[in-house]
Amino acid sequence: NAGVTQTPKFRVLKTGQSMTLLCAQDMNHEYMYWYRQDPGMGLRLIHYSVGEGTTAKGEVPDGYNVSRLKKQNFLLGLESAAPSQTSVYFCASSYLGLYQPQHFGDGTRLSIL
Amino acid sequence: GENVEQHPSTLSVQEGDSAVIKCTYSDSASNYFPWYKQELGKRPQLIIDIRSNVGEKKDQRIAVTLNKTAKHFSLHITETQPEDSAVYFCAASDAGGFKTIFGAGTRLFVKA
Repeated sequence: NAGVTQTPKFRVLKTGQSMTLLCAQDMNHEYMYWYRQDPGMGLRLIHYSVGEGTTAKGEVPDGYNVSRLKKQNFLLGLESAAPSQTSVYFCASSYLGLYQPQHFGDGTRLSIL
Repeated sequence: GENVEQHPSTLSVQEGDSAVIKCTYSDSASNYFPWYKQELGKRPQLIIDIRSNVGEKKDQRIAVTLNKTAKHFSLHITETQPEDSAVYFCAASDAGGFKTIFGAGTRLFVKA
């Protein structure tokens, strides 16, 4: 099993450009999450999904959109990138049910110039 | 809103010493408390977790304690080794798991 796979691993964008980050998991997890990690601020939840076709806002959703058309995939979109969105983005997934830990991907390092 | 405070932000210990990281949470509905370790440039990985109906849990050199009344939980690492050097995150979530709040992280340095 590959676990949680994120693509791309690195990307540099210009302000105003758009892009989509892809997260794929092969563990049949119901829940999927997108976080951003900035120095000194831990992991902040952007959006999450509790199942195929569902999405919900997390702590810092502004400027991002998500889609979960297939259970195994969770896409994070930036419609008009801003320098404040320079960050490391982590996708995670977990089983449905009580007390389930999250499994993280390797992250995407995104720089907005 | 709900938050998790984590202290200290940086911790430096000599190899063989113990390390303690403390967290406080605000949401009284939280009942699951995982700890993640993130090595430089790597993904966060679960190292230990504790449920609200348990006061302490131990796994070899790592232990976690929980005080629900005070809303405190702590990570204890004994006999630290250089490979324990990493950033450690505490987190608090409800039983459903999709509402998880992470602490800001503690960077642990273990000096050989």
